[in-house]
Amino acid sequence: AQTVTQSQPEMSVQEAETVTLSCTYDTSESDYYLFWYKQPPSRQMILVIRQEAYKQQNATENRFSVNFQKAAKSFSLKISDSQLGDAAMYFCAYAGNNRKLIWGLGTSLAVNP
Amino acid sequence: DAGVTQSPTHLIKTRGQHVTLRCSPISGHKSVSWYQQVLGQGPQFIFQYYEKEERGRGNFPDRFSARQFPNYSSELNVNALLLGDSALYLCASRRNDLPSSYEQYFGPGTRLTVT
Repeated sequence: AQTVTQSQPEMSVQEAETVTLSCTYDTSESDYYLFWYKQPPSRQMILVIRQEAYKQQNATENRFSVNFQKAAKSFSLKISDSQLGDAAMYFCAYAGNNRKLIWGLGTSLAVNP
Repeated sequence: DAGVTQSPTHLIKTRGQHVTLRCSPISGHKSVSWYQQVLGQGPQFIFQYYEKEERGRGNFPDRFSARQFPNYSSELNVNALLLGDSALYLCASRRNDLPSSYEQYFGPGTRLTVT
């Protein structure tokens, strides 16, 4: 069975600085997708960035980028120029052949002014 | 275009009661999935429906059931509520059931409290 592990329950970063959130996963599938979702206090789950496993190039969305290491089964999220609005729970998620999302436990990110 | 909508926003029920949660997917999306998120944890997959057929089921008891209607909206039903059913219930939609349709869009959730 596939699993997703986020080893950092809480992280903090100073406004305008850079922070990296870690995620590792375990799977025997060769075709899959990885996601980072953001869940602010409003509880709305928002897609931040996605990565197709067959793509070697790391995904980037504005201030958000990933470091995808397929052999190591690692999928970290880097947030550059952190803003107060980035404060939220961040979840790493995996979707395999059945497209069912498997989630990590989340990392709570605090942004300090 | 409207996003995924869920109703009600909040709900308080008593142990042993029944509850029905509703979800309307994004227009044009035919697949709906349900997730349970207990406070402090990541979501857990409950069901996926596509074209009114169940396409996946998570490790939840038979007290949990769902269905999808011809307009692709969906209902999640929970019978004989337990205190442990208190959670945020998330609905997500995606365009279809093809491998190329991997991105899911979430609704705001229904907060269920069982007392």
